[in-house]
Amino acid sequence: AQSVTQLGSHVSVSEGALVLLRCNYSSSVPPYLFWYVQYPNQGLQLLLKYTTGATLVKGINGFEAEFKKSETSFHLTKPSAHMSDAAEYFCAVSDAGNTPLVFGKGTRLSVIA
Amino acid sequence: GAGVSQSPSNKVTEKGKDVELRCDPISGHTALYWYRQSLGQGLEFLIYFQGNSAPDKSGLPSDRFSAERTGGSVSTLTIQRTQQEDSAVYLCASSGGEVFSNQPQHFGDGTRLSIL
Repeated sequence: AQSVTQLGSHVSVSEGALVLLRCNYSSSVPPYLFWYVQYPNQGLQLLLKYTTGATLVKGINGFEAEFKKSETSFHLTKPSAHMSDAAEYFCAVSDAGNTPLVFGKGTRLSVIA
Repeated sequence: GAGVSQSPSNKVTEKGKDVELRCDPISGHTALYWYRQSLGQGLEFLIYFQGNSAPDKSGLPSDRFSAERTGGSVSTLTIQRTQQEDSAVYLCASSGGEVFSNQPQHFGDGTRLSIL
């Protein structure tokens, strides 16, 4: 069965600093990988996804993630944090479209002015 | 609207009452999913529909939970004899194509359920 581990339930960065949110997964078959963002009192919004092809995936709001099979990782990065990036971020995995999405417990990102 | 719509946005009810949560997916999306989000617990998958069919109900927490979908569109999640541990945010999502495909799931804003 798949699982997702997000290291750090809370990450705090200064405005303009690099954002790095870590996600490791386990899957017995090639995975589909997703990052979602959740703002207070809202649903989840897709940031980016990896299914096949290029391992470096670019998403909305300047975020990107790289699928590293050897490390079973799909870390989310953004070169320069903005105050509006403060939110909860969820990594999710599916077994190549055959199983429900399994979500990590989320990482709350705070951005300090 | 163009997105997934859930109602009510908030529901407060007494323990033992039944509640019904509604989800109106994006038009044309045949796949629909229900999740439960509890404080500090991430998202727990409950059930999915492909069209009107829900082949796997094993994710529902207990037999007090049921879900249906009619006309390939609106879905309702019903919780009977509510308990305090049912308090959570219930999220609905829909996606195009086949269920669990590489198409992303689009989420509603959820129903925040509080059991007194």
